[in-house]
Amino acid sequence: GAGVSQTPSNKVTEKGKYVELRCDPISGHTALYWYRQSLGQGPEFLIYFQGTGAADDSGLPNDRFFAVRPEGSVSTLKIQRTERGDSAVYLCASSLHAGGNTGELFFGEGSRLTVL
Amino acid sequence: AQSVTQLGSHVSVSEGALVLLRCNYSSSVPPYLFWYVQYPNQGLQLLLKYTTGATLVKGINGFEAEFKKSETSFHLTKPSAHMSDAAEYFCAVTMEYGNKLVFGAGTILRVKS
Repeated sequence: GAGVSQTPSNKVTEKGKYVELRCDPISGHTALYWYRQSLGQGPEFLIYFQGTGAADDSGLPNDRFFAVRPEGSVSTLKIQRTERGDSAVYLCASSLHAGGNTGELFFGEGSRLTVL
Repeated sequence: AQSVTQLGSHVSVSEGALVLLRCNYSSSVPPYLFWYVQYPNQGLQLLLKYTTGATLVKGINGFEAEFKKSETSFHLTKPSAHMSDAAEYFCAVTMEYGNKLVFGAGTILRVKS
């Protein structure tokens, strides 16, 4: 497809389980971002990749959260020992170049995570 | 630190009426400002942006916004609302060379027929 693709679109899991969320950015986009959107709030920055490396992971809430982008394209957000407070929509975005400030970020539809 | 405040989590207007969605920001450096829109069951998409230059910025679907430094505002307007404008709108800020967009909490726009 031409847009940012995220899978799964919905994930229900139990407290304490491990979860992986996948993002397939637009082909050729070098920058990839993960955001988290809780109910009634705007998207909150988690991590930003430039190529394969995490250029800024200051938004990851704790060490249960980790993200990789091994080949500079697809990225996976990994959450260990999930907690009910992790329930949110996880958004992925990509942009053509580094620095989303002047470039446009293209967002996927998100992965809705529910932790029971 | 940067932050964004959107006044009014819900705004309701009649079809054909003026749309005004308010956004105020705080930033210690000159900001770059954005409005994103999210239609039901779709991803966020860029509506318009201000980086440098002209402070009145025009976007898609007839929307525009004006950067007012003295008021630290970037309000979104549209002269005449359409039913298709019903969506959630997010204001966002970053700084030059920044890669972190800071979003407001969003405003849901309802358009009544």
